[in-house]
Amino acid sequence: NAGVTQTPKFQVLKTGQSMTLQCAQDMNHNSMYWYRQDPGMGLRLIYYSASEGTTDKGEVPNGYNVSRLNKREFSLRLESAAPSQTSVYFCASSEPGLANEKLFFGSGTQLSVL
Amino acid sequence: DAKTTQPPSMDCAEGRAANLPCNHSTISGNEYVYWYRQIHSQGPQYIIHGLKNNETNEMASLIITEDRKSSTLILPHATLRDTAVYYCIVSSGGSNYKLTFGKGTLLTVNP
Repeated sequence: NAGVTQTPKFQVLKTGQSMTLQCAQDMNHNSMYWYRQDPGMGLRLIYYSASEGTTDKGEVPNGYNVSRLNKREFSLRLESAAPSQTSVYFCASSEPGLANEKLFFGSGTQLSVL
Repeated sequence: DAKTTQPPSMDCAEGRAANLPCNHSTISGNEYVYWYRQIHSQGPQYIIHGLKNNETNEMASLIITEDRKSSTLILPHATLRDTAVYYCIVSSGGSNYKLTFGKGTLLTVNP
């Protein structure tokens, strides 16, 4: 049981390049999330998907797009990377339910934009 | 969601109990207290959560004051592997996307 799997683990881009971060979960969760974490900071929500077919903006959505391909997969795309997007990106999933909510996180993607 | 206040860092001796405090004086009646931790560069890991009663699981205990304005996470026998950043988060159930991770408390367990 892999949980939440993110690829790639590391990526270096040049300014203006595009790329897609992949995330897949095998826990049959309805909700999925993308966070970014800058050095010494907490996690900030970029986008989330409450269920298959729906996506919504989080705290810092500018410069990103997402696709909820199916229940398992939630991808994050940078169309034109900027140095300000250098960060560690975490994908997470959860099964919403009162009194039983837990976020399960992937191991992260370290992205550097030069 | 209510905001939380945590000390930036704490130390604990290996084998001793680690008590991590969190203030959440503006917590609402329907908001839960969640604790997560992040071990060096890994994804955060859920530890425990509670509404108003004290909770215990295989990882930790959560003590919530009667007025719910503060809580304490207790790691009963800290090990070196418990060195991590611990996040206290307050949120209403059913809205995980509103989980706001602050800077947390860096707990360092010393041999």
